[in-house]
Amino acid sequence: GAVVSQHPSRVICKSGTSVKIECRSLDFQATTMFWYRQFPKQSLMLMATSNEGSKATYEQGVEKDKFLINHASLTLSTLTVTSAHPEDSSFYICSAGRTSGYEQYFGPGTRLTVT
Amino acid sequence: AQKVTQAQTEISVVEKEDVTLDCVYETRDTTYYLFWYKQPPSGELVFLIRRNSFDEQNEISGRYSWNFQKSTSSFNFTITASQVVDSAVYFCAPSDRGGSEKLVFGKGTKLTVNP
Repeated sequence: GAVVSQHPSRVICKSGTSVKIECRSLDFQATTMFWYRQFPKQSLMLMATSNEGSKATYEQGVEKDKFLINHASLTLSTLTVTSAHPEDSSFYICSAGRTSGYEQYFGPGTRLTVT
Repeated sequence: AQKVTQAQTEISVVEKEDVTLDCVYETRDTTYYLFWYKQPPSGELVFLIRRNSFDEQNEISGRYSWNFQKSTSSFNFTITASQVVDSAVYFCAPSDRGGSEKLVFGKGTKLTVNP
């Protein structure tokens, strides 16, 4: 149990377009979902925390209008990178925490390349 | 807020050697959790262990063992008889209250196990 999926796994888009990444908890309800970003050979940096039915809490330095997060249900959160630029190219990873639990379960990640 | 230091950026060993990955953390919380994750080249994070700050017993799981020293704020990870498949980046991460709260990742240690 406790599987988290992400879609797509890889995406290439042109500069100026928007890209939506989905994060789903397949076999449990996730009250909280987290979005991380990882540049090559670097650590994971938390971008935002989203709770079902409420606005996401963004980390300092993360642009809310650029990285739109929606957590519409207990099993789905989406990250939309709006007006993407080459510097947004990165590995985006989501994770989900159970309603009552002590672990985060990570998705397999989405590699975004903006050309 | 938590802070974590993984001083070893890269480690290279020969198969069957034992290797210890260091993790030193800072926290003002009296109750916290500590995690270790493995990230193989595929990119997906693999959960290894969660440790509650109240539990200072060392833990062994197969070839893996963890040494938690609260007095020195360290949570080191040892792989015994390393194998090529252990090659990955390993992250240590403290958390405020467990998996439902955000994780603060260290910079990671890249382990290469050579045949």
